[in-house]
Amino acid sequence: AQTVTQSQPEMSVQEAETVTLSCTYDTSESDYYLFWYKQPPSRQMILVIRQEAYKQQNATENRFSVNFQKAAKSFSLKISDSQLGDAAMYFCAYRSGGGSEKLVFGKGTKLTVNP
Amino acid sequence: GAGVSQSPSNKVTEKGKDVELRCDPISGHTALYWYRQSLGQGLEFLIYFQGNSAPDKSGLPSDRFSAERTGGSVSTLTIQRTQQEDSAVYLCASSVHSSYNEQFFGPGTRLTVL
Repeated sequence: AQTVTQSQPEMSVQEAETVTLSCTYDTSESDYYLFWYKQPPSRQMILVIRQEAYKQQNATENRFSVNFQKAAKSFSLKISDSQLGDAAMYFCAYRSGGGSEKLVFGKGTKLTVNP
Repeated sequence: GAGVSQSPSNKVTEKGKDVELRCDPISGHTALYWYRQSLGQGLEFLIYFQGNSAPDKSGLPSDRFSAERTGGSVSTLTIQRTQQEDSAVYLCASSVHSSYNEQFFGPGTRLTVL
């Protein structure tokens, strides 16, 4: 079974600075997708960024980018120019490329942004 | 258009009672998922519906948990004889169809079992 590990229960960053959240995963599959979701106190899960495993190029969405290291099974999220609104729980998730449609989540990292 | 909605937002019940949690997916979304988020834990998959196919129930923790999806739209998650360890936030998500497409999440139902 696939597992997702987020080793940083909490992180903090100063406003306008850059922070990187770590995620590693374990799988024997070659075809899969990786996601970062944001969950603010409202509980609404919001997709931040996604990466297809077959793509070598790292995904980027505005201030959010990933460092996808397939051989190392690592998928970190970098947030540049951090804003107060970035404060939330961040979850890394894995989805198989075939068969099961479910998302497998890590336990999350709580990000605090200090003014 | 409206997003995924869930009701109730919060539910407090006594141990041993049955509860029903409702999810209204985004119109046109054929795939629907239920997840459970316990305190300090990540999200745990419970069940997945796709169109008229048999649901993937592999994540249901016990036979006290069941779910149905009527008419390919609204879904109800039922927990019978609730236990304190069932206390969690129950999240529903939907997607256009079972593929690479993004899962859109509802705001969840916070269940507290006293």
